[in-house]
Amino acid sequence: SQKIEQNSEALNIQEGKTATLTCNYTNYSPAYLQWYRQDPGRGPVFLLLIRENEKEKRKERLKVTFDTTLKQSLFHITASQPADSATYLCALGASNAGNMLTFGGGTRLMVKP
Amino acid sequence: GAGVSQSPRYKVTKRGQDVALRCDPISGHVSLYWYRQALGQGPEFLTYFNYEAQQDKSGLPNDRFSAERPEGSISTLTIQRTEQRDSAMYRCASSRQGRVGEAFFGQGTRLTVV
Repeated sequence: SQKIEQNSEALNIQEGKTATLTCNYTNYSPAYLQWYRQDPGRGPVFLLLIRENEKEKRKERLKVTFDTTLKQSLFHITASQPADSATYLCALGASNAGNMLTFGGGTRLMVKP
Repeated sequence: GAGVSQSPRYKVTKRGQDVALRCDPISGHVSLYWYRQALGQGPEFLTYFNYEAQQDKSGLPNDRFSAERPEGSISTLTIQRTEQRDSAMYRCASSRQGRVGEAFFGQGTRLTVV
């Protein structure tokens, strides 16, 4: 069955360092992958999308890589800030027909000042 | 509207009762999605619509769950004969039709079945 794995343990880093979160998947051939941020009590908020034919995408301090051979995406936040503390979810989409997404369980990031 | 609006925010119901959860998507968004999210987990897909047409309902757990979007705007997710295992956060999202891109999520309805 399809499986999307994100590190369930919280990632604690110091302010100013680069945070790297991992998303691995099996039994899946996604057409695209998205990353969302979720704060406690709130709905997920879209951050970035990367398609299967793209290796890397950047947006401000965020960078996403997508390796369809390794079946892995890495999500980087450079120069991290305490305000970046949240849960980050990866989500895979099977086709270009819409946003029917399969989510991972999320990784909680804590950035300490 | 300014964002995806869900109501009620919280619903406590007795086992065996029916509940209806409402979603009002962003104006002009053709696609509407229902997800369910357990504590500490990512959202789990239930069903989605383009306009009023239900495109996929493969994620609905069983036939007690149904959804409709009769006029292509507001949607209702109905759970009949609720059970305790139905307790979860139910989230609605909307997006522009046919475009792979950001889905805008509402704040959800927290359902508790007692």
